[in-house]
Amino acid sequence: KAGVTQTPRYLIKTRGQQVTLSCSPISGHRSVSWYQQTPGQGLQFLFEYFSETQRNKGNFPGRFSGRQFSNSRSEMNVSTLELGDSALYLCASSFPGQGLLETQYFGPGTRLLVL
Amino acid sequence: AQTVTQSQPEMSVQEAETVTLSCTYDTSENNYYLFWYKQPPSRQMILVIRQEAYKQQNATENRFSVNFQKAAKSFSLKISDSQLGDTAMYFCAFMKLKFGSGTYKYIFGTGTRLKVLA
Repeated sequence: KAGVTQTPRYLIKTRGQQVTLSCSPISGHRSVSWYQQTPGQGLQFLFEYFSETQRNKGNFPGRFSGRQFSNSRSEMNVSTLELGDSALYLCASSFPGQGLLETQYFGPGTRLLVL
Repeated sequence: AQTVTQSQPEMSVQEAETVTLSCTYDTSENNYYLFWYKQPPSRQMILVIRQEAYKQQNATENRFSVNFQKAAKSFSLKISDSQLGDTAMYFCAFMKLKFGSGTYKYIFGTGTRLKVLA
C-alpha cells in the first residue's frame, strides 16, 4: 500500500497570505489528523477529520481550518499567515475502528516558511 | 488533562550498545494506548512500537522493547544493539480512546533526540 502523501513538500509564503496543504491518506483509512511541529513546541494537534466531519480540534486560532473530501483526502488552510506559522505540518491517517486500529501513520510533512 | 513527559531532550549511545529512553504520562483513564514514534533527520515519522494499557506483557519489536509500568505511568523504550540508522528524534505518544463515540486523542511528548555514535 502506498503511504500517506502530502503536497507540497516545501512552501514559502509571506505574512498575510493564505496557504492550502493537501494530504492523501493510506488507501482505506478514513481518519486524517493534522499536526504542527516546531522545534520549541514539539507536535501540536490541530484537528482530525473522519468521514468528512471534524471530530476533534486542538487549541489553534480560527485561521487554521480544514476539510475532508469523500475520498478521505484532506486539506488544511491557514489564512492571514504569521511568522510563527512557520513549521512542519504533518498529516496522519488511521483506519476507523478501536484500539490499535487507530494507530496513526504519518506523511512526510509540508515544511512551511513564512517570511 | 493528559500529559506526556520525555525528560531527556538529547541522548547519545555508542553503536552496538543499549540505550533506554524514558517517557512518563499522566492520566486518570484506564483504557489507553501508548506509542513510540521515530523521526529520522529530514525523514518521515514512523511507528516503532505500541502497547495496549490493558496488556501486562511488554511489547517487543526486534531490537526495540518497552518497559511499561502502568502503576508508575511509565513507558520507556529500550533499543538494543544500537545502529547508526537509529539516529533520530523519538516521540512518545499517548492515545485515549472514547468507546461509543469513536473519537480518540493523541498527545505527544516533546521528543528525545538520540544520536548513535560510530
